[in-house]
Amino acid sequence: EPEVTQTPSHQVTQMGQEVILRCVPISNHLYFYWYRQILGQKVEFLVSFYNNEISEKSEIFDDQFSVERPDGSNFTLKIRSTKLEDSAMYFCASSDSLGDRSNTGELFFGEGSRLTVL
Amino acid sequence: LAKTTQPISMDSYEGQEVNITCSHNNIATNDYITWYQQFPSQGPRFIIQGYKTKVTNEVASLFIPADRKSSTLSLPRVSLSDTAVYYCLVGDGAAGNKLTFGGGTRVLVKP
Repeated sequence: EPEVTQTPSHQVTQMGQEVILRCVPISNHLYFYWYRQILGQKVEFLVSFYNNEISEKSEIFDDQFSVERPDGSNFTLKIRSTKLEDSAMYFCASSDSLGDRSNTGELFFGEGSRLTVL
Repeated sequence: LAKTTQPISMDSYEGQEVNITCSHNNIATNDYITWYQQFPSQGPRFIIQGYKTKVTNEVASLFIPADRKSSTLSLPRVSLSDTAVYYCLVGDGAAGNKLTFGGGTRVLVKP
């Protein structure tokens, strides 16, 4: 079964450092997402990406964050200068559609990248 | 997106049926109801989606009354591996932009 893969599974970084989290979405999917989940809290939307541009972003996704699809397979999330509060599990997801009355528009999530900022 | 309310937690025993009800009083005409499951330290996983009446797949059933202001996820004969957090989401296109997760229901299946 095709799956979304994420690397690294865990990254420890110092406050102020740049971090890049990588994702390989399912190959025929067109819509890509990043979510994060702080330990013990709910899953929060960060950003959606379609046709090589951001479709929508949340208030969490400020100027410190950026996303890129540098080639045909990878989808990356960059945090320019990490803060302690950026410590969380970051999930990448992809979908082949937005969902309508003929299909579910199911999101497929990766296993996540745990970011620890010290 | 419509706000959802679901119980914070539920306990059950192996072999029992688990029913989780979600309230979504301000659901819009075009909104679908979707449920995701999340195991610890894993990404959410799609379980089932419906618009009205009843939907059943190999994993669960989803019951939606005529007014669509609530929905009930039914997990038949749960096992220990069904221990997870279950999220109810409402929106017009489950994979639409800004899929919003609530607090979810933490289901603990005991032996």
